[in-house]
Amino acid sequence: QQQVKQSPQSLIVQKGGISIINCAYENTAFDYFPWYQQFPGKGPALLIAIRPDVSEKKEGRFTISFNKSAKQFSLHIMDSQPGDSATYFCAARSAAGGGNKLTFGTGTQLKVEL
Amino acid sequence: GAVVSQHPSWVICKSGTSVKIECRSLDFQATTMFWYRQFPKQSLMLMATSNEGSKATYEQGVEKDKFLINHASLTLSTLTVTSAHPEDSSFYICSARDQTGRQYFGPGTRLTVT
Repeated sequence: QQQVKQSPQSLIVQKGGISIINCAYENTAFDYFPWYQQFPGKGPALLIAIRPDVSEKKEGRFTISFNKSAKQFSLHIMDSQPGDSATYFCAARSAAGGGNKLTFGTGTQLKVEL
Repeated sequence: GAVVSQHPSWVICKSGTSVKIECRSLDFQATTMFWYRQFPKQSLMLMATSNEGSKATYEQGVEKDKFLINHASLTLSTLTVTSAHPEDSSFYICSARDQTGRQYFGPGTRLTVT
């Protein structure tokens, strides 16, 4: 019930391409869905987040698409750059019952090639 | 953006000794801090949640007598790994939540127990 499933496990994209990472959840009480970027040996950094009352949120080259009925959300990275090569984690949090704790996906290792 | 620091960033200790890791929110007050553990190429696993001035809440399977957490002020939480063993070697990451609910992560502490 508390799991967040993330795919793919790894992804290789050409420079300038679109990177797409998908997540799915079961707990309908989740009401906050952030994406984090993590470089090797560093802590995760918040990229972008969405709440279920909107279907899409865009910040620069990063877009979250949210499908409440399907209980899925995805991260799109437009014009992917080598500097975007990192591990990306989706997460979800419930204000009620979940103790306001983030549940993380399993992570996606993105490599952007020249 | 909000900054969370951790100290030390990297520590090596001998088996049986104790290690203390500090986590500070530098420019905001954090009523809630979280401690995570991350093994190589894996997701973040929540160890415990600490609220300022009260006892930490540990996740199932996490030994509270081994991983001592103190949250003495709104800007400082500490994790002490007592009687460390090689299997405790991992990447420990703290996180602090601000009053808007946004959660910021520290840069992590690499613990190696020999």
